[in-house]
Amino acid sequence: DQQVKQNSPSLSVQEGRISILNCDYTNSMFDYFLWYKKYPAEGPTFLISISSIKDKNEDGRFTVFLNKSAKHLSLHIVPSQPGDSAVYFCAARLYGGSQGNLIFGKGTKLSVKP
Amino acid sequence: GAGVSQSPSNKVTEKGKDVELRCDPISGHTALYWYRQSLGQGLEFLIYFQGNSAPDKSGLPSDRFSAERTGGSVSTLTIQRTQQEDSAVYLCASSLMGGSYEQYFGPGTRLTVT
Repeated sequence: DQQVKQNSPSLSVQEGRISILNCDYTNSMFDYFLWYKKYPAEGPTFLISISSIKDKNEDGRFTVFLNKSAKHLSLHIVPSQPGDSAVYFCAARLYGGSQGNLIFGKGTKLSVKP
Repeated sequence: GAGVSQSPSNKVTEKGKDVELRCDPISGHTALYWYRQSLGQGLEFLIYFQGNSAPDKSGLPSDRFSAERTGGSVSTLTIQRTQQEDSAVYLCASSLMGGSYEQYFGPGTRLTVT
């Protein structure tokens, strides 16, 4: 059973517009949610995080929103740029777990067209 | 500074052979993780090393998979008697401390079992 779900495998956006990537989760014990970005032939890189006690975190063009009641988070990229074209993974960390690992979604491939 | 490095970058092997994948984490990082990404899937946790503690092997899919971390630094993931379903990109990550949500990934090893 997938605890972190990204239901859209791909998204295409025009340069300058907003990109919205969505993620749903099932486990209420997650304490942090993350977004990672992955270019082809490279490992994922950390992009932005949000604590489960917050509902918004902003870093430049990137904003993550968390709706705990809906168990939903989203990443907004404004304005989108062609260099943002990549696969974006939503991930979550389990509070107090003995595991140090993150639980990842399947990713959404974002294409930003000039 | 140097990031996480992995070798080889690509490995093609015949079904039934053993393979070893290597990871050099960032110097000073105490935690090391192995994940794999199969085609169309998200990152699947395999194993987690934290300092001198016993590794968390809960993600290893079968007893054909094993990993070790020598001297708290370099790690080797070994897959014995490889099967076609083992074909995937194997990603290594490290973090300064265990449980950190900011993990630094290597570029991965693409394993193809023919």
